[in-house]
Amino acid sequence: DAMVIQNPRYQVTQFGKPVTLSCSQTLNHNVMYWYQQKSSQAPKLLFHYYDKDFNNEADTPDNFQSRRPNTSFCFLDIRSPGLGDAAMYLCATAGTSGSWNEQFFGPGTRLTVL
Amino acid sequence: SQQGEEDPQALSIQEGENATMNCSYKTSINNLQWYRQNSGRGLVHLILIRSNEREKHSGRLRVTLDTSKKSSSLLITASRAADTASYFCATDPGGSEKLVFGKGTKLTVNP
Repeated sequence: DAMVIQNPRYQVTQFGKPVTLSCSQTLNHNVMYWYQQKSSQAPKLLFHYYDKDFNNEADTPDNFQSRRPNTSFCFLDIRSPGLGDAAMYLCATAGTSGSWNEQFFGPGTRLTVL
Repeated sequence: SQQGEEDPQALSIQEGENATMNCSYKTSINNLQWYRQNSGRGLVHLILIRSNEREKHSGRLRVTLDTSKKSSSLLITASRAADTASYFCATDPGGSEKLVFGKGTKLTVNP
């Protein structure tokens, strides 16, 4: 089945130790998104790729970076995780079909920072 | 700034009852979507309503959109315990490829 896959599902890192979260998709969608979601809050868009074009949100900290080596894969790098970066990280995809439609979400990666 | 605001923040009902959640937004949109999120999981798309539509149905879901009031409602009829989840509305400000999510309504359906 076509889907969005996130690995790992749970990630524990130490304060200041770089971490990379991965997302892959079999939907062949040209847009991929990374969201941060803290407990009982709405998902907050960090950035997205429209094909190879990277679009950063104005309030996304420099500590967060992203790479999209090909259509199927997208990575979220947190260079120096702080305690405040503990959250669920959600990857989503969307395809262009004249007008924007639904986004397809992965199951998320729960990040714990010790 | 937050585009969507849902109310209530939390809703607890008995199985078989209807659940209504509301969403308000601030800017012009092309469409409004509703998503469900089970605890600790990703979001699942439920229904999309375009700005030129007033009402849409999908199974036990009914969505209305009032663009003059910049508001939408999601009605779940004959609720089931499995409907227990958080529900988010999402809008596409200016018709972009981005979505802005509301704060969500946490629905609990008691068996």
